[in-house]
Amino acid sequence: GAVVSQHPSRVICKSGTSVKIECRSLDFQATTMFWYRQFPKKSLMLMATSNEGSKATYEQGVEKDKFLINHASLTLSTLTVTSAHPEDSSFYICSARDLMAEDYTFGSGTRLTVV
Amino acid sequence: AQSVAQPEDQVNVAEGNPLTVKCTYSVSGNPYLFWYVQYPNRGLQFLLKYITGDNLVKGSYGFEAEFNKSQTSFHLKKPSALVSDSALYFCAVRDIKGNEKLTFGTGTRLTIIP
Repeated sequence: GAVVSQHPSRVICKSGTSVKIECRSLDFQATTMFWYRQFPKKSLMLMATSNEGSKATYEQGVEKDKFLINHASLTLSTLTVTSAHPEDSSFYICSARDLMAEDYTFGSGTRLTVV
Repeated sequence: AQSVAQPEDQVNVAEGNPLTVKCTYSVSGNPYLFWYVQYPNRGLQFLLKYITGDNLVKGSYGFEAEFNKSQTSFHLKKPSALVSDSALYFCAVRDIKGNEKLTFGTGTRLTIIP
């Protein structure tokens, strides 16, 4: 089946630094990828839709300059949390849409802790 | 607009008993419906989906769900629960004629009691 690889699985960084999270579709091409944030014991909050070769579409209330998304190829999207603060600490999950199968495959998530 | 409701935050079932996790949806057109399971500190794993065709959908790990258009429901079921089924379950919907975004329910924590 389709596999999405997300790295790193866990990262701790200092306040003010930037962190990059990668999301790769391993065996299919994903023109569209999605980035979610999940708070403890809560549902997934869609942050942005990442489209290959074009600018990401951000959901209302999500800071574009803080959460930089790049989707440079059909298999890779990255989320960079810039100038991280403790309130950015969360679980971030990516998802890739397989057009051929109408499937949405999720990465294993990244636990970000900002200290 | 599309939305999903999972009315139960928590469901407890004795091992070996049948389980049901409820989901209702709202879309303006026809829905694509999905169920995912999440284990602690992990991403979402696909269980099953309804796109078209037979209303009864069978998925991974013995789970199944029935698409009921008149009741706008897509409840997840399993005939005999296992302790390993304990996890967080999410229902999601997408309007066929809408954009690509999935809308998720708030999740239901399923606990199987040995």
